[in-house]
Amino acid sequence: GEDVEQSLFLSVREGDSSVINCTYTDSSSTYLYWYKQEPGAGLQLLTYIFSNMDMKQDQRLTVLLNKKDKHLSLRIADTQTGDSAIYFCAESKEDYKLSFGAGTTVTVRA
Amino acid sequence: DAGVIQSPRHEVTEMGQEVTLRCKPISGHNSLFWYRQTMMRGLELLIYFNNNVPIDDSGMPEDRFSAKMPNASFSTLKIQPSEPRDSAVYFCASCIVGVRDTQYFGPGTRLTVL
Repeated sequence: GEDVEQSLFLSVREGDSSVINCTYTDSSSTYLYWYKQEPGAGLQLLTYIFSNMDMKQDQRLTVLLNKKDKHLSLRIADTQTGDSAIYFCAESKEDYKLSFGAGTTVTVRA
Repeated sequence: DAGVIQSPRHEVTEMGQEVTLRCKPISGHNSLFWYRQTMMRGLELLIYFNNNVPIDDSGMPEDRFSAKMPNASFSTLKIQPSEPRDSAVYFCASCIVGVRDTQYFGPGTRLTVL
């Protein structure tokens, strides 16, 4: 099965908070990442968290890491239409390999 | 910085033709990655270069695929002969392995093989 698992779809009302969840398998991962992919575009690095951190906040983005449960989440506050995209969770393995989830498609409705 | 540059952005070719995809990594980055993205398989790592040397090509699907990195600022991914099942979006990414392994992706090349 997948090393990194995410739910496939999330629909959220504009102005609400979005929470995207991810579980990973490798407890030795050094960094965990969130990437955003807009239609027809490449993957844009949104944020990352070092494995010895529990939380990281960057403007509207909050990353929570639960190492015990190998659970990572991304919260987007005040979700806007421009946040509609596919969000990928990734864990680093073997110092260079990134293992990606299948991506969560976030749809923001008015 | 211009970021990772890929060309062409779109490529349409016929089965059996040779296809060459190009990538210019971010200046100063010592590592380059080629990925393939499809609906069925998601993002797959094809090959990884460190300091212009191929380190891991275990993801290259078959002998029809080859990749080169003749210098620190240029890499190619070649498919010869191409087949319809090669249709996908191919991404190049670069980073500084050993400092912070955060990969930065190019915009991708959408390949369609008819």
